[in-house]
Amino acid sequence: GDSVTQTEGLVTLTEGLPVMLNCTYQTIYSNPFLFWYVHYLNESPRLLLKSSTDNKRTEHQGFHATLHKSSSSFHLQKSSAQLSDSALYYCALRNVNTGNYKYVFGAGTRLKVIA
Amino acid sequence: GGIITQTPKFLIGQEGQKLTLKCQQNFNHDTMYWYRQDSGKGLRLIYYSITENDLQKGDLSEGYDASREKKSSFSLTVTSAQKNEMAVFLCASSITGQSNERLFFGHGTKLSVL
Repeated sequence: GDSVTQTEGLVTLTEGLPVMLNCTYQTIYSNPFLFWYVHYLNESPRLLLKSSTDNKRTEHQGFHATLHKSSSSFHLQKSSAQLSDSALYYCALRNVNTGNYKYVFGAGTRLKVIA
Repeated sequence: GGIITQTPKFLIGQEGQKLTLKCQQNFNHDTMYWYRQDSGKGLRLIYYSITENDLQKGDLSEGYDASREKKSSFSLTVTSAQKNEMAVFLCASSITGQSNERLFFGHGTKLSVL
């Protein structure tokens, strides 16, 4: 079945340094949708980015990611971390038009930004 | 905009007890999901439903039942709570089959079993 692998556990960064959270996936289908969801403390998880287009950069709220089908990757990046970026980040995959409505999530990466 | 409401926000149960979690959405979305959130394990799918009265098992369905009697609501039952179990259960809904599809989540129900 489909699977998603993320940078494990906790990533601690000093404010102002670049953010890179890794996400790779496995699927037998050729046109997956990849998503990044962010879960701030005491809020509900919400969509940060999504893409289904190979080699096209997607940006939102200072974060960006590019789906690379050749390497099955969708890494999340930001040029300069802010204290407010501290949260739990999930990478997820969904194969549309396959009759399968499942979203498959990675284990999550907790980002902690310190001053 | 719409909202997903999960009740209760906190649920404390006893070992062996049957516990029910409820979820309501006013997006008019067809598909609804129940995920379990555990630290280091991500979001694992318990059940989902693509329409009223439909139920599909996820990877973690053992020990749970679900019910989708109305399009707007999706409930999850822990059939026998396990001692010292602690987890957050997240309900979500989505429009499916469209280019703008995405999941919308509720705030979660935090379960503690004594």
